[in-house]
Amino acid sequence: DQQVKQNSPSLSVQEGRISILNCDYTNSMFDYFLWYKKYPAEGPTFLISISSIKDKNEDGRFTVFLNKSAKHLSLHIVPSQPGDSAVYFCAARVSGSARQLTFGSGTQLTVLP
Amino acid sequence: DAMVIQNPRYQVTQFGKPVTLSCSQTLNHNVMYWYQQKSSQAPKLLFHYYDKDFNNEADTPDNFQSRRPNTSFCFLDIRSPGLGDAAMYLCATAGALGNQPQHFGDGTRLSIL
Repeated sequence: DQQVKQNSPSLSVQEGRISILNCDYTNSMFDYFLWYKKYPAEGPTFLISISSIKDKNEDGRFTVFLNKSAKHLSLHIVPSQPGDSAVYFCAARVSGSARQLTFGSGTQLTVLP
Repeated sequence: DAMVIQNPRYQVTQFGKPVTLSCSQTLNHNVMYWYQQKSSQAPKLLFHYYDKDFNNEADTPDNFQSRRPNTSFCFLDIRSPGLGDAAMYLCATAGALGNQPQHFGDGTRLSIL
């Protein structure tokens, strides 16, 4: 039973355009959501997060949107750069769960020059 | 730089031969995690330590054990590796307070001959 789903295994975007990565979840107890970026042969690197009390969080070119009623979050990257090409994982956490994260299966983003 | 370091980066062992993977951290974080990640799948939590308190996930096989001799180090022991245990093993740490992301090492790629 996948509680966090990333339904698109891959996404290709032209350099300079917007990349939108999507994530759906089923557990209404999740209250903290994160995005990680992973390059080949490296561990996941934290990118941006959002608490369930917010619906948007922005950090430079990266913005995460949370729609609690739809149990959906998305990561927007504007403008996309070739160095953004990586696997992006969304993750979610239930409050008081020793910060255990449930991960999606990832989306491979390719930014074409 | 404060970080999470995993050794070795690549490990090859024989079917049934015990193997130990190592993780160290300089972040002084209370919580340390071990994840297993197979190709194109989400990282799967095996267990975590909150300080010295060990927390096993319900579906983690008995073949997998862990030790945390001090704050800085955590080990993953696979007592009798099977072919299905070939995977990337990721160590992560997190602080105990507030909404903090997990910080990952670069992983150990385990191969079983």
